[in-house]
Amino acid sequence: DVKVTQSSRYLVKRTGEKVFLECVQDMDHENMFWYRQDPGLGLRLIYFSYDVKMKEKGDIPEGYSVSREKKERFSLILESASTNQTSMYLCASSRDRSNQPQHFGDGTRLSIL
Amino acid sequence: QKEVEQNSGPLSVPEGAIASLNCTYSDRGSQSFFWYRQYSGKSPELIMFIYSNGDKEDGRFTAQLNKASQYVSLLIRDSQPSDSATYLCAVGGMEYGNKLVFGAGTILRVKS
Repeated sequence: DVKVTQSSRYLVKRTGEKVFLECVQDMDHENMFWYRQDPGLGLRLIYFSYDVKMKEKGDIPEGYSVSREKKERFSLILESASTNQTSMYLCASSRDRSNQPQHFGDGTRLSIL
Repeated sequence: QKEVEQNSGPLSVPEGAIASLNCTYSDRGSQSFFWYRQYSGKSPELIMFIYSNGDKEDGRFTAQLNKASQYVSLLIRDSQPSDSATYLCAVGGMEYGNKLVFGAGTILRVKS
């Protein structure tokens, strides 16, 4: 079974802090994704990585950056956290070809105060 | 812009009935169709997926594709209260690269 592990289930940070969300997968997947999920808005793609050190902006990249230094690890960085970034953050991974399912981690519920 | 639409619900069915969930997609070239179940406060869990070449049955779940009308269905037979969740549809294909487009989900409530 694919295992996608997110470092924290719940996280509380303050406005202006730099926040790191970590994600690790154990299936040697090439693709990794960061989404945020808000009520009524569904899943929105923040960033996508298809290889080590490679990244692509998703639909809502503003205010976020990512890092992929190793194949198994994909980090989401909130450069200066704001209250409108309070959300559920979901990491996913998939194999490197089209038409592949994505497998999700347990999610991080982030609150910015 | 590739779009995936789902009725937000809630869809309410009695225990033991068949629940039918639908998802429409805009890109005629779509090739893969995924159904995820998401319990409140949890992350999406892959239930099943089909490709454009056919339907699939897995236990109580059946996924069916209607290419002409561009929608995919998930049927849940003998619905149980534990099936109460939000069901997300996702669509992929060559034109999507390695990404999927997700619908916003349908809330299913199974009443005992």
